[in-house]
Amino acid sequence: EADIYQTPRYLVIGTGKKITLECSQTMGHDKMYWYQQDPGMELHLIHYSYGVNSTEKGDLSSESTVSRIRTEHFPLTLESARPSHTSQYLCASSESRGVGQETQYFGPGTRLLVL
Amino acid sequence: DQQVKQNSPSLSVQEGRISILNCDYTNSMFDYFLWYKKYPAEGPTFLISISSIKDKNEDGRFTVFLNKSAKHLSLHIVPSQPGDSAVYFCAAAAYTQKLVFGQGTRLTINP
Repeated sequence: EADIYQTPRYLVIGTGKKITLECSQTMGHDKMYWYQQDPGMELHLIHYSYGVNSTEKGDLSSESTVSRIRTEHFPLTLESARPSHTSQYLCASSESRGVGQETQYFGPGTRLLVL
Repeated sequence: DQQVKQNSPSLSVQEGRISILNCDYTNSMFDYFLWYKKYPAEGPTFLISISSIKDKNEDGRFTVFLNKSAKHLSLHIVPSQPGDSAVYFCAAAAYTQKLVFGQGTRLTINP
């Protein structure tokens, strides 16, 4: 099972601030993901990466950006936070097996509140 | 279009009894299915998975059943314990594609 970490766990911030949500994993997984989840709703994929210097947008449109300079690190940045960005952000990773059937392991999440 | 559906938003079960959580899907290309458990303000925890070549997979108190013809899977928890109270998500993926999640079912185990 992956060891995957997210900081901060909780963040309350004012509108217009720039924020970076950190995600790191120690298992050497090549695939990493960012999801957004609101209470009572499914997880929506907003970004993913299949390796260093590779990032793609997910199914849910997001104003955030990501980078993948190191295998273990996949930070998410919001240049100008707005109340509509209030949500829980979940980072996940998985090991590429080349034959599908890859299990994603999740970090503890960051709960963001934008005032 | 919701490809993975969990039609019961909540379920209440007596401690010691069986909990059955259900999930339906529409995409016949899905070949891998997973169940996750999530506590409030925490990330989902992987519970159990099943490949489309199987119809049952068991791990301790957890068993997942897959009915491909009905495009239906279920998670059985026996016996149910208070610590099982959480939100359960099913997820599905087609070969090398991204996971698609259901909306979750909140399970409450009553003492």
